[in-house]
Amino acid sequence: EVQLVESGGGLVQPGGSLRLSCAASGFTFSSYEMNWVRQAPGKGLEWVSYISSSGSTIYYADSVKGRFTISRDNAKNSLYLQMNSLRAEDTAVYYCAAIGAFDIWGQGTMVTVSS
Amino acid sequence: DIQMTQSPSSLSASVGDRVTITCRASQGIRNDLGWYQQKPGKAPKRLIYAASSLQSGVPSRFSGSGSGTEFTLTISSLQPEDFATYYCLQHNSYSITFGQGTRLEIK
Repeated sequence: EVQLVESGGGLVQPGGSLRLSCAASGFTFSSYEMNWVRQAPGKGLEWVSYISSSGSTIYYADSVKGRFTISRDNAKNSLYLQMNSLRAEDTAVYYCAAIGAFDIWGQGTMVTVSS
Repeated sequence: DIQMTQSPSSLSASVGDRVTITCRASQGIRNDLGWYQQKPGKAPKRLIYAASSLQSGVPSRFSGSGSGTEFTLTISSLQPEDFATYYCLQHNSYSITFGQGTRLEIK
């Protein structure tokens, strides 16, 4: 079965850090570009970051640039998002997703930034 | 960044109605557009890719059209399971952007 499974979400204080993981299975993970997308409670979808299939090209939304780092380990079929200097406005469900010709989303992991 | 303007933001309709949702891109994106359905607590599900191609397994009452800057999603005859929120997504540039969403409610 083709699937993505996120983990690592939770409650963190403002200024804290969290690392999200996304485990891929059922497809050739190393062939696909990947993204992180988030959705604040009751709000729309917001793209967060992109990484190319090899990991050589990376982009970030302005809202997270300098604070978040995307990475991948193709040998482990895994995608990561290191989130530092977290703010209340980063509270959201975070999805990993392949978007484009091949489209698959994880079920999401909730990140809550609150004191 | 490419901005996607989606309308309407909400829509009230009845079972059997035909509904249309529109997305306008701030610059040309060829046909690099998808339409997604999202239900509460679930991940988005793609309905349409490449602006007008039906995703495998999606009912034929869903259709998409457009190219360049103007795109539409049409549901030909609403079914009870179609009441959800719909988003357009452009992936023409590295910075993916979404429309603001259309909440489709039962009249």
